[in-house]
Amino acid sequence: DAGITQSPRHKVTETGTPVTLRCHQTENHRYMYWYRQDPGHGLRLIHYSYGVKDTDKGEVSDGYSVSRSKTEDFLLTLESATSSQTSVYFCAISGGQAPETQYFGPGTRLLVL
Amino acid sequence: AQTVTQSQPEMSVQEAETVTLSCTYDTSESDYYLFWYKQPPSRQMILVIRQEAYKQQNATENRFSVNFQKAAKSFSLKISDSQLGDAAMYFCAYRVSQGGSEKLVFGKGTKLTVNP
Repeated sequence: DAGITQSPRHKVTETGTPVTLRCHQTENHRYMYWYRQDPGHGLRLIHYSYGVKDTDKGEVSDGYSVSRSKTEDFLLTLESATSSQTSVYFCAISGGQAPETQYFGPGTRLLVL
Repeated sequence: AQTVTQSQPEMSVQEAETVTLSCTYDTSESDYYLFWYKQPPSRQMILVIRQEAYKQQNATENRFSVNFQKAAKSFSLKISDSQLGDAAMYFCAYRVSQGGSEKLVFGKGTKLTVNP
């Protein structure tokens, strides 16, 4: 299994508070991604990174920001959480010999009250 | 824009039988990758199989195989000798490569139930 961890695994927060989710990899892969999974929508890309300090938006990026200061860490921040951001968040990585194949972390369940 | 469609929200199969999950996609590219991921109740996303579009031969991984029809833009997953552990959500995904980035577009998934 690819070495990907996410923290926290579960979080409950209140509307308007900032939240940061962390993705950590031990594979030294170039690409990292954040997806959200909601019923009826499958997985949708929020932001991705193609290198340290190199990031770009996905299809559902509004209300989210990311940072990548080290190869192994990719942070997702909700500046001011809203109830619509209640979801399961997945981090993924790709690179090495097969950059087209993404491997996923265990997910973080976020509830915004 | 690339889209992925899974027309079967739910499927069921008897243990030891064979089941086929459907997936169609839309693209104007000639070279691309397609994937099937499995998501059991644990929610972990697990890669099942991948197919490179320029390869004519259908990919296989043990009991899992695909029927890739490039002209029809169809990418179905066949599970042979179904086991109780195969019960999960299955997602079809298409890889988009644009400007140096690698992104996946997912279908909405098919929930597979395996009956003993």
